[in-house]
Amino acid sequence: DAKTTQPTSMDCAEGRAANLPCNHSTISGNEYVYWYRQIHSQGPQYIIHGLKNNETNEMASLIITEDRKSSTLILPHATLRDTAVYYCTLGAGGTSYGKLTFGQGTILTVHP
Amino acid sequence: EAGVVQSPRYKIIEKKQPVAFWCNPISGHNTLYWYLQNLGQGPELLIRYENEEAVDDSQLPKDRFSAERLKGVDSTLKIQPAELGDSAVYLCASSLDGGSPGAEQFFGPGTRLTVL
Repeated sequence: DAKTTQPTSMDCAEGRAANLPCNHSTISGNEYVYWYRQIHSQGPQYIIHGLKNNETNEMASLIITEDRKSSTLILPHATLRDTAVYYCTLGAGGTSYGKLTFGQGTILTVHP
Repeated sequence: EAGVVQSPRYKIIEKKQPVAFWCNPISGHNTLYWYLQNLGQGPELLIRYENEEAVDDSQLPKDRFSAERLKGVDSTLKIQPAELGDSAVYLCASSLDGGSPGAEQFFGPGTRLTVL
């Protein structure tokens, strides 16, 4: 399975945009990029996913580079409640669309 | 709408004892997943069900772990006997159609297992 690389931790000031990078240089052509986050003592929560086009929803924006080897999750106006571990993961293609391989994630701390 | 329900939330047992975790997915979700999450790590898939069928159990340690999803709804994950290294959070997730690209997985709160 293709792997992702994320910074271990990042800080962001409340109200500012949080930009979380992810490298996935060995991504396959039919693999989706997914982002999940996990707040302490809870299960992971889906944020957004994309294949090659940039995506936006009510929670975040996802920017995928043209060569698909990296992506950035953008939280446009971070709040204290966005403090969490953010996982960038790839969804395997073919018959294993449902299989996600999580890395260690990025611990995002939003401070006042 | 109720989310994924797991019980118990916490379990403390002694090594060599059996333990079971229960999961009720979101109504109508055909795909069910069990993940293991060690402290400071991301979740690791143990098994994935499409309705009653286990379609991916390659990561399930079959010598001591077993799972079932009778009638394609709720599921039970069992460990017998438990070892110290099994201490972790066991997460259950479900999706409407896990075989579709881009399918969102909904996670339960997990069961935190401590083996003494």
